[in-house]
Amino acid sequence: DGGITQSPKYLFRKEGQNVTLSCEQNLNHDAMYWYRQDPGQGLRLIYYSQIVNDFQKGDIAEGYSVSREKKESFPLTVTSAQKNPTAFYLCATSTGSRGGYTFGSGTRLTVV
Amino acid sequence: GENVEQHPSTLSVQEGDSAVIKCTYSDSASNYFPWYKQELGKGPQLIIDIRSNVGEKKDQRIAVTLNKTAKHFSLHITETQPEDSAVYFCAASTAQAGTALIFGKGTTLSVSS
Repeated sequence: DGGITQSPKYLFRKEGQNVTLSCEQNLNHDAMYWYRQDPGQGLRLIYYSQIVNDFQKGDIAEGYSVSREKKESFPLTVTSAQKNPTAFYLCATSTGSRGGYTFGSGTRLTVV
Repeated sequence: GENVEQHPSTLSVQEGDSAVIKCTYSDSASNYFPWYKQELGKGPQLIIDIRSNVGEKKDQRIAVTLNKTAKHFSLHITETQPEDSAVYFCAASTAQAGTALIFGKGTTLSVSS
C-alpha cells in the first residue's frame, strides 16, 4: 500500500531532551511538509522540502530542525530550544505541483 | 505572506440540515483552495478542492464556491449525516513555486441525529 508512515504514534520526553519524529513515504512524492497542530490553532507550518537536500523554514521553525537526505524520508527534530513542544505533529506529502496533500496519521508528542 | 481566516470555529446542525463554512484569504496570488476533513486522532483528508479559474465545484453532497474578487471561498455540505461530524480545515496556496499550503484554524462540525 502506498502511504505515509509517522512513527511513533505517541512519544513522551523529558524537558530539555531533543527528540526526532519519523516520516517515511512510498508515494514517490517530491515535496514533504511538517505541520504542528494545537487546539484552536489549526495547522501551522514548521518546515517543508520540495526536493532532496533542500528545505525551507515555515512560519514556526524556531526550535526545530529537519533533514532531507532521501526522497522517502523527512525527519523532524524537536530541540530543547522549542519552548512549548507538546503538540500533535503531522507530516504531509504532495507532488509539488500545487496539488492536494496526503497526510500521515500524526505523532502526539508530550514533554514532561 | 498568506493569511487564511476561517469561520465559524464551531458549528452544530441537525441531521439533514445544510452546513456552511467560510474562509477568507489575503494573498490575491493564491490560486489553489483545498478543504480537509479531520476525524479524531487521525490526519486530515482532502475532501474537495478548487482552483482560481473555477467558481464552483460539486461532489455529491459537498460543494465549494470561490469569489476571487472578495477573496473568500466556502464549503457547503447538504443533507448532513452524523458521520460528517469532524474538524474541517480550509487552506490556500500562492502561485509561487516552492510555497506551501496555509491553513485556517478549523471548524468543528457536530451533526446531531
